[in-house]
Amino acid sequence: GAGVSQTPSNKVTEKGKYVELRCDPISGHTALYWYRQSLGQGPEFLIYFQGTGAADDSGLPNDRFFAVRPEGSVSTLKIQRTERGDSAVYLCASSPWSSGSRNEQFFGPGTRLTVL
Amino acid sequence: LAKTTQPISMDSYEGQEVNITCSHNNIATNDYITWYQQFPSQGPRFIIQGYKTKVTNEVASLFIPADRKSSTLSLPRVSLSDTAVYYCLVGDSLRGGADGLTFGKGTHLIIQP
Repeated sequence: GAGVSQTPSNKVTEKGKYVELRCDPISGHTALYWYRQSLGQGPEFLIYFQGTGAADDSGLPNDRFFAVRPEGSVSTLKIQRTERGDSAVYLCASSPWSSGSRNEQFFGPGTRLTVL
Repeated sequence: LAKTTQPISMDSYEGQEVNITCSHNNIATNDYITWYQQFPSQGPRFIIQGYKTKVTNEVASLFIPADRKSSTLSLPRVSLSDTAVYYCLVGDSLRGGADGLTFGKGTHLIIQP
């Protein structure tokens, strides 16, 4: 079946602009996660959804970052007033969130964001 | 305090068995140990997970001693395509939130011909 997809694959924007990154999880997966990965680093947790609600947004770096998942499926990560330090690969993952798949997440290919 | 510690890099050769050890001295009673693999320009991929003793699947084995303060990922007969970054995580995502989702810097495994 189809895996997690993310669009766009690449996004170049200018400092101060607003961007939206989209994630389409695997159908039926209730949990959805956003991560940010900088060069040479491991993925850094940003936010986690269980259904439509943000169960944990403790990883969001500041209030310029916001994410939604209005219907419990597709999610959008929104970044306002982008800064050069926001440049990174943004990864999305989904999980069926069951004891049989504890800690098993399915990752998308990521969106490479470059802020000029 | 880091939840896990792994070597930054390792080298090996095709056909060899590779063992990557992860230290997690402060592992909690209900924590699981999970390993992911990541190739360049791709998202991480789940490899294996365990709680204690030994777990084996078609890709790897995971050895966990009785005190659970470390774990070893074993890759049998590696090939060039096993060159990747390997991450060790501890926790339980079913507790909710970010538990079990700290990746660290991982181990960059390089396989040579």
